[in-house]
Amino acid sequence: AQTVTQSQPEMSVQEAETVTLSCTYDTSENNYYLFWYKQPPSRQMILVIRQEAYKQQNATENRFSVNFQKAAKSFSLKISDSQLGDTAMYFCAFMKYSGGSNYKLTFGKGTLLTVNP
Amino acid sequence: DAGITQSPRYKITETGRQVTLMCHQTWSHSYMFWYRQDLGHGLRLIYYSAAADITDKGEVPDGYVVSRSKTENFPLTLESATRSQTSVYFCASTTVQGAVRYEQYFGPGTRLTVT
Repeated sequence: AQTVTQSQPEMSVQEAETVTLSCTYDTSENNYYLFWYKQPPSRQMILVIRQEAYKQQNATENRFSVNFQKAAKSFSLKISDSQLGDTAMYFCAFMKYSGGSNYKLTFGKGTLLTVNP
Repeated sequence: DAGITQSPRYKITETGRQVTLMCHQTWSHSYMFWYRQDLGHGLRLIYYSAAADITDKGEVPDGYVVSRSKTENFPLTLESATRSQTSVYFCASTTVQGAVRYEQYFGPGTRLTVT
């Protein structure tokens, strides 16, 4: 079974600064995806970014980028130029996509990020 | 409306009552999922479905029942609600085809309180 660990329950950052959220995972699988989801106070789960394990290049979406270290099983999220609207709970999630995986997500416990003005 | 919807958004019920949470998606995604979110646990999978009439247990299935007679609907039933089932419930769906394959799209959630 896969496990996902987010070691930072809470973080804060000043507006316009950069922050990095950590995520590590444990798996014996070789074919998988990793995701970061954002959950603002509205409670809606919003996909921020995804990374395919077979790709060496780190994924980037505007101000959001990841540092994917496959050998270390690490998948951190960097938010640049933080904005007040980035205040949310952030979840790291793992999904294998081979061998009858059924595409289930395994989530970490989340990191609550607060962006201060 | 297009997308994935859940109803009700809020529900208060008493211990021992049967409760059904509804989930409907308009994308014809083959896979659907039910998660519960509790403080300190993140989201945990309750049940999932690969297609109509195909369902299977997730990590925390005890006390829950699901069905999927139509591709677009995936109701979750608490047969005899307990206080430990007080939680926020999320339905999600995904496709295994196309550019957005494997991305799970979530409904807005249902906050259930069992008194």
